Amino acid sequence: QKEVEQNSGPLSVPEGAIASLNCTYSDRVSQSFFWYRQYSGKSPELIMSIYSNGDKEDGRFTAQLNKASQYVSLLIRDSQPSDSATYLCAVNSASGGSYIPTFGRGTSLIVHP
Amino acid sequence: ETGVTQTPRHLVMGMTNKKSLKCEQHLGHNAMYWYKQSAKKPLELMFVYNFKEQTENNSVPSRFSPECPNSSHLFLHLHTLQPEDSALYLCASSQDIVLADTTGELFFGEGSRLTVL
Repeated sequence: QKEVEQNSGPLSVPEGAIASLNCTYSDRVSQSFFWYRQYSGKSPELIMSIYSNGDKEDGRFTAQLNKASQYVSLLIRDSQPSDSATYLCAVNSASGGSYIPTFGRGTSLIVHP
Repeated sequence: ETGVTQTPRHLVMGMTNKKSLKCEQHLGHNAMYWYKQSAKKPLELMFVYNFKEQTENNSVPSRFSPECPNSSHLFLHLHTLQPEDSALYLCASSQDIVLADTTGELFFGEGSRLTVL
């Protein structure tokens, strides 16, 4: 059973701070990793993808991947109240020749003014 | 607007009713998915279709019946559901399911909120 673990939170940070969201996964041969943002009452939307060890930056977002530790994180710099949402980690692993993403249960982030 | 459209957005049905959820994608993708999202639970994969062929059935009860007539349309037929089936049903699409990099890049519809009385 492939598992993706996230702390459900809520994670509360003040406006302007760095929010750090973490995710661990069980399948050692996982190859690609994704972060989705889901606002309340809305569907998930992809915000970051990362495929190799290290950091990947996109605007205020940085994804970090450590395959040896089976750990992926998302940093949000200069957090804004509009960043308040649930962040879902998804991990792609091979299954019978195809790749189907497995999702964590998400971390709720609250950015307060 | 993600290019994936789901209808209806809200559905209330009794346990003896038969209804269907519809999903259409305008992205030219080859793979389509049904996910179930319940409160406090991870997204649960239900079905995957690639080039309109079913590739995954994640031990879903037979009261849920998928149909994929072509790569752009996906249906979920519902009959004799239970109250615990009440949830948000999300349709998604991706370019395909055979490339590790792009397969996890899912585009979701707005979802169909189902309530079973």
